[in-house]
Amino acid sequence: GAVVSQHPSWVICKSGTSVKIECRSLDFQATTMFWYRQFPKQSLMLMATSNEGSKATYEQGVEKDKFLINHASLTLSTLTVTSAHPEDSSFYICSATKLGLAGGQETQYFGPGTRLLVL
Amino acid sequence: EDQVTQSPEALRLQEGESSSLNCSYTVSGLRGLFWYRQDPGKGPEFLFTLYSAGEEKEKERLKATLTKKESFLHITAPKPEDSATYLCAVQARMNDMRFGAGTRLTVKP
Repeated sequence: GAVVSQHPSWVICKSGTSVKIECRSLDFQATTMFWYRQFPKQSLMLMATSNEGSKATYEQGVEKDKFLINHASLTLSTLTVTSAHPEDSSFYICSATKLGLAGGQETQYFGPGTRLLVL
Repeated sequence: EDQVTQSPEALRLQEGESSSLNCSYTVSGLRGLFWYRQDPGKGPEFLFTLYSAGEEKEKERLKATLTKKESFLHITAPKPEDSATYLCAVQARMNDMRFGAGTRLTVKP
């Protein structure tokens, strides 16, 4: 199997504070990790792609100074929402890529998500 | 531009009533097509990967098929616990996965 965990599962914070979300691949080393956000009844929106030891690649319209991503190891990536505001309230989901045995075939396995509510 | 379109947007079935979900795609060079199941408030759960036209995969009551333009997720004799949103995603380049909007399936007992 391939298990991805996220912590915390939910967080409530005051406007203006920063929140850090951790994403870990528990039983495999992830070549790449991804961060998504999802609004109610909508599909996943990719925010950024991160590779271990290098800077994250952000999707158009995603502020890199607001959503700081650190990919410290092959099993851990963190997303920090800086100076959070109510409009940042959302469901944040990470995923990690696991390569298949044949190589060149990769599957994204998702974490359980983190629900952020900014008051 | 790569596009993924899922239909229907929502589907309500009676328990035992078989049906199919559709995922149409337009990509230049498909590396893989993925199906995920997502329950409310949870992350997507991996179901299948299909790599080439004609490929089929099965898991319990689910069967995924792939052509050059679309994929179908067939649900045979569904149960209420199959209720979820089913997401389709295509990958044309490494580390670049495009998701459809999903199909919300509700199975009534």
